[in-house]
Amino acid sequence: AQSVSQHNHHVILSEAASLELGCNYSYGGTVNLFWYVQYPGQHLQLLLKYFSGDPLVKGIKGFEAEFIKSKFSFNLRKPSVQWSDTAEYFCAVTWGTGRRALTFGSGTRLQVQP
Amino acid sequence: DGGITQSPKYLFRKEGQNVTLSCEQNLNHDAMYWYRQDPGQGLRLIYYSQIVNDFQKGDIAEGYSVSREKKESFPLTVTSAQKNPTAFYLCASRMGDPGYTFGSGTRLTVV
Repeated sequence: AQSVSQHNHHVILSEAASLELGCNYSYGGTVNLFWYVQYPGQHLQLLLKYFSGDPLVKGIKGFEAEFIKSKFSFNLRKPSVQWSDTAEYFCAVTWGTGRRALTFGSGTRLQVQP
Repeated sequence: DGGITQSPKYLFRKEGQNVTLSCEQNLNHDAMYWYRQDPGQGLRLIYYSQIVNDFQKGDIAEGYSVSREKKESFPLTVTSAQKNPTAFYLCASRMGDPGYTFGSGTRLTVV
């Protein structure tokens, strides 16, 4: 079955530390890749997406992600986190054609300490 | 402003009762989706509809039902057959790619 794995469930960092959150998906072929963020009490927001082209994707708020096809990975990075980045982060994938529904990972809760 | 409206924001249900969650969009999107969010499990797909009068089961459809009689509306009924209905429910819609828009969610609690 198609699945998405996020191996870091809870990450605690100090402000200015660098961030990398892992995301792997189970099945090859044509994929569209997304990272969403959910701040406490708020809607899901799209951070960035990859459909094709340059595998290094830049998103909002200084986030970026790199698509590595050979590793089925789409890791999220930020060079220097801020307290305001405290949130839950979800990786999501859609595969080729068909239902086009996002399949989400289990999420990573990021806590940034001042 | 275009968007998705989910109501109510909080819902309490007695065990054994059916309850319907509303999802309305004014984005003219063809596809609509229902997800369930539980702590530590991310979002899981319950049902989706790619066009009016058609819908498909997602990954965890048991105990749920939907209808899609109008393009802008995709209500979800949580039936008494759903064994663990307490959760946060999110509705989404899509037109093309990446085009996903999410509602603000309904938190359902069984009392």
